[in-house]
Amino acid sequence: KAGVTQTPRYLIKTRGQQVTLSCSPISGHRSVSWYQQTPGQGLQFLFEYFSETQRNKGNFPGRFSGRQFSNSRSEMNVSTLELGDSALYLCASSPVGENTEAFFGQGTRLTVV
Amino acid sequence: AQSVTQPDIHITVSEGASLELRCNYSYGATPYLFWYVQSPGQGLQLLLKYFSGDTLVQGIKGFEAEFKRSQSSFNLRKPSVHWSDAAEYFCAVGAGTGNQFYFGTGTSLTVIP
Repeated sequence: KAGVTQTPRYLIKTRGQQVTLSCSPISGHRSVSWYQQTPGQGLQFLFEYFSETQRNKGNFPGRFSGRQFSNSRSEMNVSTLELGDSALYLCASSPVGENTEAFFGQGTRLTVV
Repeated sequence: AQSVTQPDIHITVSEGASLELRCNYSYGATPYLFWYVQSPGQGLQLLLKYFSGDTLVQGIKGFEAEFKRSQSSFNLRKPSVHWSDAAEYFCAVGAGTGNQFYFGTGTSLTVIP
């Protein structure tokens, strides 16, 4: 069974631009979560989508948004990029249910210059 | 609010020595607890999880963890460390709804020959 796939793996953007990251979950998983990982803040929860609906949301500004498609694939978008948005963005998919384990992708390394 | 504390930022052990990584959590109800490992530039891999039942759980790669409710702890152990175990280890607790997890700040493990 294929794992969680995130594209692209690496991205360099300029301040003020916007960016879209993509995540394909494990087949059959309907829950997709996004995390931001930085050396200073560690792993922080962004949001979770389940059956195309946002089920949970972390404490991030509205510049961070996401969506999920009917095939469970998910995208997250960051608008008006700031230098502080430079991070590893991790996507995780989970089976149906709650508090089930999360299976992580390798992440997208975003650098904002 | 839920939170996870990993008191040790960095640990160094000799290959073949035993290992214990500490994790303390704050959660009002029965917690869903996880340990993940992350190699440089990679996503997170699940080592083990605790949902209920036997408080000593076995995971992959020879790891085990013990849930102690009275101490709000979920420490990870391995009897004999291998050089390939060098990585970052994260403890996490389920938020209670959906698949949102709170992660500790991680413990970096160095293994010396």
